[in-house]
Amino acid sequence: GAVVSQHPSWVICKSGTSVKIECRSLDFQATTMFWYRQFPKQSLMLMATSNEGSKATYEQGVEKDKFLINHASLTLSTLTVTSAHPEDSSFYICSARDRGPGQGAIEQYFGPGTRLTVT
Amino acid sequence: GQNIDQPTEMTATEGAIVQINCTYQTSGFNGLFWYQQHAGEAPTFLSYNVLDGLEEKGRFSSFLSRSKGYSYLLLKELQMKDSASYLCAIPTSGTYKYIFGTGTRLKVLA
Repeated sequence: GAVVSQHPSWVICKSGTSVKIECRSLDFQATTMFWYRQFPKQSLMLMATSNEGSKATYEQGVEKDKFLINHASLTLSTLTVTSAHPEDSSFYICSARDRGPGQGAIEQYFGPGTRLTVT
Repeated sequence: GQNIDQPTEMTATEGAIVQINCTYQTSGFNGLFWYQQHAGEAPTFLSYNVLDGLEEKGRFSSFLSRSKGYSYLLLKELQMKDSASYLCAIPTSGTYKYIFGTGTRLKVLA
């Protein structure tokens, strides 16, 4: 159980275009989903926290107009990188938190990640 | 504030034992997670400690001391496939968003 999928697994786009990444919880309802970015040899950096039906909460320094997050249902959140530039090239990972009690309500289940390359 | 410290890199030999330390400062404690991450892949869950003491799970064990703000991950009988980054993470109160350490890149040599 507790499987999270991401689509696409990798994407190449041209500078100035927008890219949408989907994150789905396949076998549970996710109260909260998180979006991370990871550069090579660095740890995960939290970009934003999203709750179903409400606006995402962005971490300091993350441009909310550039990284649009929509959490339309308890099983789907999307991250849209608008007007992408080469410096946005990174590994984007989502995670989801279950609604269940105990450890399950705290633990984050990670998607497989999306490798974005902006040319 | 909240802060987590881990060594950046460690090297060990196949078959050996290695201990990866994590020290933290947090207001409100909701447990501590350890994750393994291979390059280009998502983190995978290793352990969750919320009470003091050692928890053993096969070749991997994790220890927690809440009074000292300290945890370690112990890897025994190291294998080449254990070469990866090991991330220490603490969920904050409220949304339980994680504060991650920098991660420890472990290199296992033959």
